[in-house]
Amino acid sequence: TQLLEQSPQFLSIQEGENLTVYCNSSSVFSSLQWYRQEPGEGPVLLVTVVTGGEVKKLKRLTFQFGDARKDSSLHITAAQPGDTGLYLCAGARAGKSTFGDGTTLTVKP
Amino acid sequence: NAGVTQTPKFRVLKTGQSMTLLCAQDMNHEYMYWYRQDPGMGLRLIHYSVGEGTTAKGEVPDGYNVSRLKKQNFLLGLESAAPSQTSVYFCASSYGLAGGLYEQYFGPGTRLTVT
Repeated sequence: TQLLEQSPQFLSIQEGENLTVYCNSSSVFSSLQWYRQEPGEGPVLLVTVVTGGEVKKLKRLTFQFGDARKDSSLHITAAQPGDTGLYLCAGARAGKSTFGDGTTLTVKP
Repeated sequence: NAGVTQTPKFRVLKTGQSMTLLCAQDMNHEYMYWYRQDPGMGLRLIHYSVGEGTTAKGEVPDGYNVSRLKKQNFLLGLESAAPSQTSVYFCASSYGLAGGLYEQYFGPGTRLTVT
């Protein structure tokens, strides 16, 4: 069974701080997605990484895929209250995705 | 373009009752998925489909059945609801192999309570 572990599970920070969320596995994935979910809504895709070592930037968010395609990180610079939400990583392989349990981020103004 | 829609949004069932959740997508996606999300447990795959007329079991299939008679629709059935099936259910779709990335697009969810 593929397993994706996300850390930390909960993170509460002040506006303007930087943070990093990790997603680790012992399995190799063909691609890895990051999603953000707000209360009462479905997850929304943020980014897909495919190539080992790949780095993608989305405004203040930086996503990195590990060289071996087993792990990933999400770094947020100068966090804002609008970044509050549940961040999920998902590793894709053979037509299915395995989701981590998520990191709940709270950014206080 | 509505994306992925789910009906109903909320439902309360009594133990032993049955119901069907409907998922529809208008993006011509090949793959569709049903997940359940429980507090602190992330998203767990119930069943999925890689094309019209095909279905497969996911991580937690017991107590659920699915059908994909049309490409755009994916139905999730509970034949005899149990309190353990109280959860939020999400449907998702993706391009699948044609896209190669398995990026999923989610519906808004169905909150089901079984008493």
